[in-house]
Amino acid sequence: EAQVTQNPRYLITVTGKKLTVTCSQNMNHEYMSWYRQDPGLGLRQIYYSMNVEVTDKGDVPEGYKVSRKEKRNFPLILESPSPNQTSLYFCASAKQGVGETQYFGPGTRLLVL
Amino acid sequence: AQKITQTQPGMFVQEKEAVTLDCTYDTSDPSYGLFWYKQPSSGEMIFLIYQGSYDQQNATEGRYSLNFQKARKSANLVISASQLGDSAMYFCAMNGDFGNEKLTFGTGTRLTIIP
Repeated sequence: EAQVTQNPRYLITVTGKKLTVTCSQNMNHEYMSWYRQDPGLGLRQIYYSMNVEVTDKGDVPEGYKVSRKEKRNFPLILESPSPNQTSLYFCASAKQGVGETQYFGPGTRLLVL
Repeated sequence: AQKITQTQPGMFVQEKEAVTLDCTYDTSDPSYGLFWYKQPSSGEMIFLIYQGSYDQQNATEGRYSLNFQKARKSANLVISASQLGDSAMYFCAMNGDFGNEKLTFGTGTRLTIIP
């Protein structure tokens, strides 16, 4: 089954404790992206990647890091999480670029205390 | 920079009626794409419909159609014969020209279908 998976689905952590949210897709897509969703703000793009070793900032990259060492994986790293990073995070992938249908993961709900 | 505006935070519509969800956009790119996504209460994001800025005809996908008015910079979603399962959040989004791979979303409209 073609899908985008994210882990964990739910996470409670404390300020300053590094964490990684994994994202994996099995569709051989070149384009992958991370978004955060906050009430009243819609979805905002954090980082995206056009291919292996190619990443670029979205609209809200501060406080986040990403890497794309393999085509299928695109982890989101919070080196020192803060309460304002409490949010719902979505990973998505598309065959070649953002102009195509994006397939979204189920979301990761993060609470930073 | 590109911007999407959805001015309707919430809408209530009687079942079987048609509904229009508003979306206006702003961009300096000569070509761009417009998308609509549905987010049910379960949380997943579901792609509904896509319109390219140079497409001559309005996009349609089953009960969904996109009323694209380029001069007005609007890309409204029309759902015909609404169903209870259409109750969800709906997001309008746009991308930019080749090389601009960002996707910008609006703040969403919560649609509630009344039996």
